[in-house]
Amino acid sequence: GAVVSQHPSWVICKSGTSVKIECRSLDFQATTMFWYRQFPKQSLMLMATSNEGSKATYEQGVEKDKFLINHASLTLSTLTVTSAHPEDSSFYICSAQGPGTRSIGRWNEQFFGPGTRLTVL
Amino acid sequence: QQQVKQSPQSLIVQKGGISIINCAYENTAFDYFPWYQQFPGKGPALLIAIRPDVSEKKEGRFTISFNKSAKQFSLHIMDSQPGDSATYFCAAPLTSGTYKYIFGTGTRLKVLA
Repeated sequence: GAVVSQHPSWVICKSGTSVKIECRSLDFQATTMFWYRQFPKQSLMLMATSNEGSKATYEQGVEKDKFLINHASLTLSTLTVTSAHPEDSSFYICSAQGPGTRSIGRWNEQFFGPGTRLTVL
Repeated sequence: QQQVKQSPQSLIVQKGGISIINCAYENTAFDYFPWYQQFPGKGPALLIAIRPDVSEKKEGRFTISFNKSAKQFSLHIMDSQPGDSATYFCAAPLTSGTYKYIFGTGTRLKVLA
């Protein structure tokens, strides 16, 4: 259980175009989804937190107009990289969390998607 | 910034040996400490987690040791296997009471056959 998928798994686009990445929880309702960015051989950096039906909360230094996040349903969140540039090339990973996911005490675990490799030419 | 410092950056272990990865945290409000395993090109997967009210947790070959007074916790992989070769991240809540995590810098483990 607790499977999270991402689509596409990899995408190459031209500079200036927009790219949409989908994150889906397949077997549970994700009340909260997180979007991370990971550069090669580096750690995961949290970009934003999205709760179903409300606006995303962005971490400091993340441009909300550049990285548009929508969490319209309990199983789907999307990240749109607008006017992408080569410096946006990275590995984008989502995670999902919701009632019923494995918990330790009062914590609900985050389950991660397989990631999306974005390359902007 | 509430950091989680992880060491070593990379680790090479012989098959059958013990792999030890350490993390240190600053914020004593942290109350949940998961470890994640990540293979190249894949998302992280939860390996094992601990709360600070226990000093050790074991699941199979994986053990977390927790030292609350020193604000440190470590992952021990017993009988390390080549299939354990991956990057390991420790994590802690970014803000106590929320579900956001801050991740350690990662340890690239290579287990030699």
